[in-house]
Amino acid sequence: EADIYQTPRYLVIGTGKKITLECSQTMGHDKMYWYQQDPGMELHLIHYSYGVNSTEKGDLSSESTVSRIRTEHFPLTLESARPSHTSQYLCASIPFSGSYEQYFGPGTRLTVT
Amino acid sequence: AQSVTQLDSQVPVFEEAPVELRCNYSSSVSVYLFWYVQYPNQGLQLLLKYLSGSTLVKGINGFEAEFNKSQTSFHLRKPSVHISDTAEYFCAVSFNYGGSQGNLIFGKGTKLSVKP
Repeated sequence: EADIYQTPRYLVIGTGKKITLECSQTMGHDKMYWYQQDPGMELHLIHYSYGVNSTEKGDLSSESTVSRIRTEHFPLTLESARPSHTSQYLCASIPFSGSYEQYFGPGTRLTVT
Repeated sequence: AQSVTQLDSQVPVFEEAPVELRCNYSSSVSVYLFWYVQYPNQGLQLLLKYLSGSTLVKGINGFEAEFNKSQTSFHLRKPSVHISDTAEYFCAVSFNYGGSQGNLIFGKGTKLSVKP
């Protein structure tokens, strides 16, 4: 089973602040994903990466940005947080090429006041 | 366009009763199918998956699902639920095409509430 870590688990921050949500995995997975999930709603893909220096936007438009400088690390950044960014952010990864089952981290619940 | 529909947003059921959570998808290409469970304030945990082979797949916690290609469905079942099964369940589909291969599309989720 994959080990995927997300920090912080909970974050309350004021409007206009810059934030970075961390996601890391220890299994050398190539593919990593960020999802946004509003309370009681489905998950929407906002970013994904197929490897180092590879990043793509997902189906849901997001003001956040991502980077993939190391295989194990896939941070998500919001340059200027707004209340509309309040949501849960879930990170996931796929163990190996050809596998389609994504393994999820515990999530970061972000509240922007 | 590809889509996933979970027909019931909430399913209340009594403990030890059977349950079925319904999922339909729309696609013109081959698919891989998944059910995930989410407990409060946690990430998603894989319950089971269909990639190929037998259309009846068994997963963790006594859950099973059946892939029906003609009806484009992948319903989740459990013959006898427990209080601990109370959670939200998401059906997800991966469409086997192009540059988005492996990306998942999720349904809106079904909240299963098991009452004593």
